[in-house]
Amino acid sequence: DTGVSQDPRHKITKRGQNVTFRCDPISEHNRLYWYRQTLGQGPEFLTYFQNEAQLEKSRLLSDRFSAERPKGSFSTLEIQRTEQGDSAMYLCASSSGGGLLRGEQFFGPGTRLTVL
Amino acid sequence: QKEVEQNSGPLSVPEGAIASLNCTYSDRVSQSFFWYRQYSGKSPELIMSIYSNGDKEDGRFTAQLNKASQYVSLLIRDSQPSDSATYLCAVNMFGGSNYKLTFGKGTLLTVNP
Repeated sequence: DTGVSQDPRHKITKRGQNVTFRCDPISEHNRLYWYRQTLGQGPEFLTYFQNEAQLEKSRLLSDRFSAERPKGSFSTLEIQRTEQGDSAMYLCASSSGGGLLRGEQFFGPGTRLTVL
Repeated sequence: QKEVEQNSGPLSVPEGAIASLNCTYSDRVSQSFFWYRQYSGKSPELIMSIYSNGDKEDGRFTAQLNKASQYVSLLIRDSQPSDSATYLCAVNMFGGSNYKLTFGKGTLLTVNP
């Protein structure tokens, strides 16, 4: 399977704990995005990497959230001191550099986070 | 004002009918437009992209874009029960090289056998 993969698929944690999610993009894609989706809403943009550089962060991404993409390959999203409001599906997407496909993004299966 | 708006539905059509899904967006500089299908509990799946005014057809799906009216639509011909899902409209709002997407809330489509 050469699609976007995410791990874990589900995570249940207690309030105040730290969690980390991993995303492996499609191998030839240099752009990687994180989104968050809650019930009844469309995905909301969190942050974006081009290769290893984090180029944009949403205001939704508080100081408790940090994302990395070392070496421009896989990415991690860490949430520190989780709160119940962090419960959501965390989606990773990747895309190529543009051209004819101009930003078509392909999503991974997501990580569903439940904070108790 | 919401940036990408969709009728939340639910939209119910009989099997074999044409389903019409609509989306409006607020930013005139938007350049790229996408339709995603999302089954319950799953992640979004890209089904159509459109960049220029007019129609783009792919199998049973036709995307229509009217930049002057800031309107994009998706037609599904010969609807099947397996098409029952939430359809998300996504727009690259600001152009440039970021390509981050702004999504609508989605329209729930139910195709009745």
